[in-house]
Amino acid sequence: QKEVEQNSGPLSVPEGAIASLNCTYSDRGSQSFFWYRQYSGKSPELIMFIYSNGDKEDGRFTAQLNKASQYVSLLIRDSQPSDSATYLCAAYRGGGGNKLTFGTGTQLKVEL
Amino acid sequence: DGGITQSPKYLFRKEGQNVTLSCEQNLNHDAMYWYRQDPGQGLRLIYYSQIVNDFQKGDIAEGYSVSREKKESFPLTVTSAQKNPTAFYLCASSTPRGTTEAFFGQGTRLTVV
Repeated sequence: QKEVEQNSGPLSVPEGAIASLNCTYSDRGSQSFFWYRQYSGKSPELIMFIYSNGDKEDGRFTAQLNKASQYVSLLIRDSQPSDSATYLCAAYRGGGGNKLTFGTGTQLKVEL
Repeated sequence: DGGITQSPKYLFRKEGQNVTLSCEQNLNHDAMYWYRQDPGQGLRLIYYSQIVNDFQKGDIAEGYSVSREKKESFPLTVTSAQKNPTAFYLCASSTPRGTTEAFFGQGTRLTVV
């Protein structure tokens, strides 16, 4: 079982719609979770991080965390063509086994 | 400007040769990471380091080596023992407490010819 799992997609949504990206993790010791966006050939850039159960909103983006279900999601409202990219979910485990583990990413395509 | 710098951006190497990828950060971060990314794939952890003179193997450490002699620097050597070294290599740094983001360099694209 992979430590961080994502559906590879592609996920296609029309412009203006809500895109929902999901991620599950296996290590219950994971403390913090990150969503990165990566354009082809570029390095990842951070969109949001979350470490408490519940929702965290930042502009058009909302991250959701459910530690009991070991589930993290990212919602993108009013999706734009510029949102088309690969979205990477990452989990951080601290406490001596500190490491940042990434999922394989979900490709999002926002269509006109 | 604070940031993390990888060099070179593109690197070509012949089979059987060792090559070293540079990663330098001036963010005063304790933790540094090396990841490998293959086409259409996510990031796989090669090595990581939380403090100077200490590092741990990640999920795919075979054929790679690292050093952490200075806080600012975390070079990665791809040895001839790495069977499929052609990939996009990303270096990242962060504070080790886990609630702050990891910053990435611009990456090094290594091609074995």
